[in-house]
Amino acid sequence: EVQLVESGGNLVQPGGSLRLSCAASGFSVSRNYMNWVRQAPGKGLEWVSIIYSGDETYYADSVKGRFTISRDNSKNTLYLQMNSLRAEDTAVYYCARDGGVRGVIDYFDYWGQGTLVTVSS
Amino acid sequence: QSALTQPASVSGSPGQSITISCTGTSSDVGPYNYVSWYQQYPGKAPKLMIYEVNNRPSGVPERFSGSKSGNTASLTISGLQADDEADYYCSSYTASSTLVFGGGTKLTVL
Repeated sequence: EVQLVESGGNLVQPGGSLRLSCAASGFSVSRNYMNWVRQAPGKGLEWVSIIYSGDETYYADSVKGRFTISRDNSKNTLYLQMNSLRAEDTAVYYCARDGGVRGVIDYFDYWGQGTLVTVSS
Repeated sequence: QSALTQPASVSGSPGQSITISCTGTSSDVGPYNYVSWYQQYPGKAPKLMIYEVNNRPSGVPERFSGSKSGNTASLTISGLQADDEADYYCSSYTASSTLVFGGGTKLTVL
């Protein structure tokens, strides 16, 4: 059974850093495209980042230069390192598996339950 | 990258059909068939309902269908049921190698 479990969300001050984790089971993160998607309180979904099976990464303009996506194949875990955090980064962060295989961001067939990041002083 | 445009809300009675539109541009929806639709209940993770414009994942009822014309994609739900009441989001791959979501549509079943 495919399962994604996020952790690491917390209250952090503006300018601070946080690392989110997403432990996967039932499939290999190294052989799939993996994404982070966030949702601010009461707002819509916002795509954040993707890491392809070949290690290529892409980011939304809103986080580029501040966030880094990575994975540890031995732990079958996806990460999101978030630096220089701002109030507008406050959101529930979901990891999601991309079901596509064509080298594009296609569709998200499995999602985690989400982890809340709050950026506030 | 601006969000795709969806109506903020739609409503329908049980048994009726509704359609939710998702309007993008010639840099996202228009040139790509990588349009997906997600259903989200309050406090829950989104669920994939339609992928690649008009494909249904296993387990999604045939009442859900998708289409695309030009820069606008659509989700149609026929035979509305009470548990279809949720938020719906479209998404599309973009020419910048990123992904953009729609602003979301709240579906109310009257």
